[in-house]
Amino acid sequence: KQEVTQIPAALSVPEGENLVLNCSFTDSAIYNLQWFRQDPGKGLTSLLLIQSSQREQTSGRLNASLDKSSGRSTLYIAASQPGDSATYLCAVSPNYGGSQGNLIFGKGTKLSVKP
Amino acid sequence: DGGITQSPKYLFRKEGQNVTLSCEQNLNHDAMYWYRQDPGQGLRLIYYSQIVNDFQKGDIAEGYSVSREKKESFPLTVTSAQKNPTAFYLCASQIPGGNQPQHFGDGTRLSIL
Repeated sequence: KQEVTQIPAALSVPEGENLVLNCSFTDSAIYNLQWFRQDPGKGLTSLLLIQSSQREQTSGRLNASLDKSSGRSTLYIAASQPGDSATYLCAVSPNYGGSQGNLIFGKGTKLSVKP
Repeated sequence: DGGITQSPKYLFRKEGQNVTLSCEQNLNHDAMYWYRQDPGQGLRLIYYSQIVNDFQKGDIAEGYSVSREKKESFPLTVTSAQKNPTAFYLCASQIPGGNQPQHFGDGTRLSIL
């Protein structure tokens, strides 16, 4: 059974610091991997989606990498800002027929960026 | 503005009562999903539907029911058989195929009276 783990569970950094969030998964047979952001009491906002054939994706100050063979992904946030404070969730999509949308989530990393 | 609307934002359930959570989308997506989120936990899949008039159980379907009579709507009923319904419920939609991101509503928080 696929399991997704995110480390650390919480992280506090000063503004301007570059940081890395980690995600690992136990079954390398994935269709894609997605990173989401969740603000308190809100739904999820998609940040980046990496297809299984890709190594990385970039959007602005965010860069996500994928190493499928080792079951790892990282989300790199450059020059962090207080507005980046949120919980970041990693999710993998299983690679078997008809179930690619059934995401399996980690528990998230709660990020706090101090001014 | 395209998006997903969940209502109500807060809901309270009495013992033995069924309650229904609404999810409406105007993104013209075929696939829709219901997730449950407990404090400090990731999201877990309750039910999903890839097309109108068809839906499948997810990992934690017991005590829940759904319908998909219209493309835009995917209501979730929390029945009295669900003994621990207190949670944050999130609805999502997606273009089928899996290689597009899922779009989420802002959730419904369900509590027991």
